[in-house]
Amino acid sequence: SVVTQPPSASGTPGQRVTISCSGSSSNIGSHTVNWYQQLPGTAPTLLMYGSNQRPSGVPDRFSGSKSGTSASLAISGLQSEDEADYYCGVWDDSLNGVVFGGGTQLTVL
Amino acid sequence: QVQLVQSGADVKKPGASVKVSCKAAGYTFINHYMHWVRQAPGQGLEWMGMINPSGGSITYAQSFQGRVTMTRDTSTSTVYMDLSSLKSEDTAFYYCARDGPPGTGIDYWGQGTLITVSS
Repeated sequence: SVVTQPPSASGTPGQRVTISCSGSSSNIGSHTVNWYQQLPGTAPTLLMYGSNQRPSGVPDRFSGSKSGTSASLAISGLQSEDEADYYCGVWDDSLNGVVFGGGTQLTVL
Repeated sequence: QVQLVQSGADVKKPGASVKVSCKAAGYTFINHYMHWVRQAPGQGLEWMGMINPSGGSITYAQSFQGRVTMTRDTSTSTVYMDLSSLKSEDTAFYYCARDGPPGTGIDYWGQGTLITVSS
């Protein structure tokens, strides 16, 4: 993928977990990043937009940040219902389209 | 509330074409671009392209150029995605997804349509 994420992450309930998203100057370096949560067997839903803005209804346990050509999603106070796949998504000027990271499967141990 | 309701699952033979529909409700249809994204079983998200329901302008991902056609019907607030020359590798969930207010990116997703390509 043009934008890369770790394939997996894990943590125990109550822990803080961070998922990274690494890109380049044509995507993350120039545009804000979105994060999507995909629970098993369902469509993705918007978790974070504008790199660090939570849509209404998303708990403040979720936070986002961006620096240079990388972005990250942090989940604090990990809960069992956070077990899902997480994708970053961003516009890419070189490709003239949206690119997604390969996804990170989060396991709550 | 915003709703994107897609057509049902379908099975196609290799070489055939498929048309997936996505009916929008709960917002002004022509004010928001619509994207199509697909996801093969157990795989990640792949952007296919987007259409401007207002003027009809379209941008396709390079990997789908020549095989995908996106259209819209403003009278029914529906967008369509037509994929031709289907191969087994095209077996996937196909999602329509709305582009939100400026700076938001994709904010709402349809429920997905499973297209299975099998002889």
